[in-house]
Amino acid sequence: GENVEQHPSTLSVQEGDSAVIKCTYSDSASNYFPWYKQELGKRPQLIIDIRSNVGEKKDQRIAVTLNKTAKHFSLHITETQPEDSAVYFCAAKNKLIFGAGTRLAVHP
Amino acid sequence: IAGITQAPTSQILAAGRRMTLRCTQDMRHNAMYWYRQDLGLGLRLIHYSNTAGTTGKGEVPDGYSVSRANTDDFPLTLASAVPSQTSVYFCASSDSGLGELFFGEGSRLTVL
Repeated sequence: GENVEQHPSTLSVQEGDSAVIKCTYSDSASNYFPWYKQELGKRPQLIIDIRSNVGEKKDQRIAVTLNKTAKHFSLHITETQPEDSAVYFCAAKNKLIFGAGTRLAVHP
Repeated sequence: IAGITQAPTSQILAAGRRMTLRCTQDMRHNAMYWYRQDLGLGLRLIHYSNTAGTTGKGEVPDGYSVSRANTDDFPLTLASAVPSQTSVYFCASSDSGLGELFFGEGSRLTVL
């Protein structure tokens, strides 16, 4: 079955710095890679996703890159702001297995 | 538009009791999922359903059962609750194929 590993488990950055979170997956048949943000006490919400036929996707300050050969994908957040503080989860289709999450803290 | 709703939002339950968490969506999504989220940990898939009438096992299915009699409803049942099932349970749905997961608000279950 699918296995998704996510690193780091915690990440602390200064406001304005960049943050990078990495995930690896095991099932080469996975073809959809979303990232979810979960603020404290709330439900996870999609922030960006990428399909296997694309190597990179960007949406304002966030971007995702995919390396199918190495079976890993990364979330990049630039110019971080305090409201970016949350837990971020990667996931891989099939059956949408999630990584363990990264707790991001952005300090003013 | 309600989206996806879960009930109850919170429940305290004695060990050994039977409990059903309800999940309803009005988006006509084919796929539905149940996850559990333990304190400080990620989302683990319990069961899923790709379409009405079908279900499948996720990462941690033991002790749980689901049914999908129609498109809108996907209840999760704990036949005999144990303390290790204390968790926050999230139901989610998506269109079939590659699509965004929409999560419910979550159901906080405590088994004593």
